[in-house]
Amino acid sequence: AQSVSQHNHHVILSEAASLELGCNYSYGGTVNLFWYVQYPGQHLQLLLKYFSGDPLVKGIKGFEAEFIKSKFSFNLRKPSVQWSDTAEYFCAVSSTGGGNKLTFGTGTQLKVEL
Amino acid sequence: AAGVIQSPRHLIKEKRETATLKCYPIPRHDTVYWYQQGPGQDPQFLISFYEKMQSDKGSIPDRFSAQQFSDYHSELNMSSLELGDSALYFCASSLGGTYNSPLHFGNGTRLTVT
Repeated sequence: AQSVSQHNHHVILSEAASLELGCNYSYGGTVNLFWYVQYPGQHLQLLLKYFSGDPLVKGIKGFEAEFIKSKFSFNLRKPSVQWSDTAEYFCAVSSTGGGNKLTFGTGTQLKVEL
Repeated sequence: AAGVIQSPRHLIKEKRETATLKCYPIPRHDTVYWYQQGPGQDPQFLISFYEKMQSDKGSIPDRFSAQQFSDYHSELNMSSLELGDSALYFCASSLGGTYNSPLHFGNGTRLTVT
């Protein structure tokens, strides 16, 4: 079974600071990787996804993530955060042979201060 | 664009009562997933359906059952409710026959058991 760990549970940044959220997964086979964002009181929204090809993927709202296979990592980055990025961020994986079912990490609560 | 519709948005029940949550997938999506997100927790996979058949099962209690109907909407039935069932219940849909089809989430149903 696959598992996902997110190292930072709470992150507080000032506007314009750079962001990097860690995500590591555990699975013996090939995985698909995702980052979802959940704004307060809202549903999960897909930020970006990696299936294959270029390990550096770009998503919406200026986010990007890099898949490093040797480190089983898929860290999320943004060069300059905004107050509106305050939300909870979930890393998720699905196995290529297991349909599209997602396994989520525990989430990182990001607070961006003005 | 049409999204995943869940009803009701909020539901308050007493212990030992029953509840039914409904999910209407994005048009042409044939796969539905149910997730439970407790307070401060990551979403936990409950169950999924593809073409009206159960396709996968996660940590769904025996008190819960679900099904997918001919129009692809799904219902999650919860009986003998317990205080610990209070959570946000997300439904997601995807194109099951399409490899790597991303999940699209609904706004969730917030269930409070008193």
